[in-house]
Amino acid sequence: DGGITQSPKYLFRKEGQNVTLSCEQNLNHDAMYWYRQDPGQGLRLIYYSQIVNDFQKGDIAEGYSVSREKKESFPLTVTSAQKNPTAFYLCASSIIGQGIETQYFGPGTRLLVL
Amino acid sequence: AQTVTQSQPEMSVQEAETVTLSCTYDTSESDYYLFWYKQPPSRQMILVIRQEAYKQQNATENRFSVNFQKAAKSFSLKISDSQLGDAAMYFCAYRSAETSGSRLTFGEGTQLTVNP
Repeated sequence: DGGITQSPKYLFRKEGQNVTLSCEQNLNHDAMYWYRQDPGQGLRLIYYSQIVNDFQKGDIAEGYSVSREKKESFPLTVTSAQKNPTAFYLCASSIIGQGIETQYFGPGTRLLVL
Repeated sequence: AQTVTQSQPEMSVQEAETVTLSCTYDTSESDYYLFWYKQPPSRQMILVIRQEAYKQQNATENRFSVNFQKAAKSFSLKISDSQLGDAAMYFCAYRSAETSGSRLTFGEGTQLTVNP
């Protein structure tokens, strides 16, 4: 089945710890995105990547890092510098250069701080 | 910068009735795309409907349709014959057409309850 997978579904972070959220897609999409969702709010962009080995900061990149070594994968690391990481994290992907470029989303990862 | 506003934090509708969710946006661009996404309790974001700003005809997908008013910068979603499975958080989103691979800007969402 084609789609976007995120793992784990739930993740717990201890103080001072870095954690990595996985996002994989087999849709052959060019662009991938990470969004953060806080309770009762809309989604805010953390990072996005249009091509392998290149990525751009979104609105709330501080305390996060990403890599794009493969077209299919766009992992997000939540570093210890992110002081309020508890949120729901959504990964999305899209084709680019072909009209409307709809973004499709994975099932999300819920990050909780211990 | 573009902004998207959903002025109705919560809405409710009776099963089989029609409901309209409001969305307005602010942009100086002339070419862009608009989307409605649905987020059920599973929290998976699901595309409901999309509209290209250069198209005057309103998009329709089965029971879902939009009323796109470009001059007023309004993009409302109409759900006809509401079903229990329509209960979800609905997000309006904007994407610029001026740059490929550009980000989505989301509204705050409207929580829709469907009453049996």
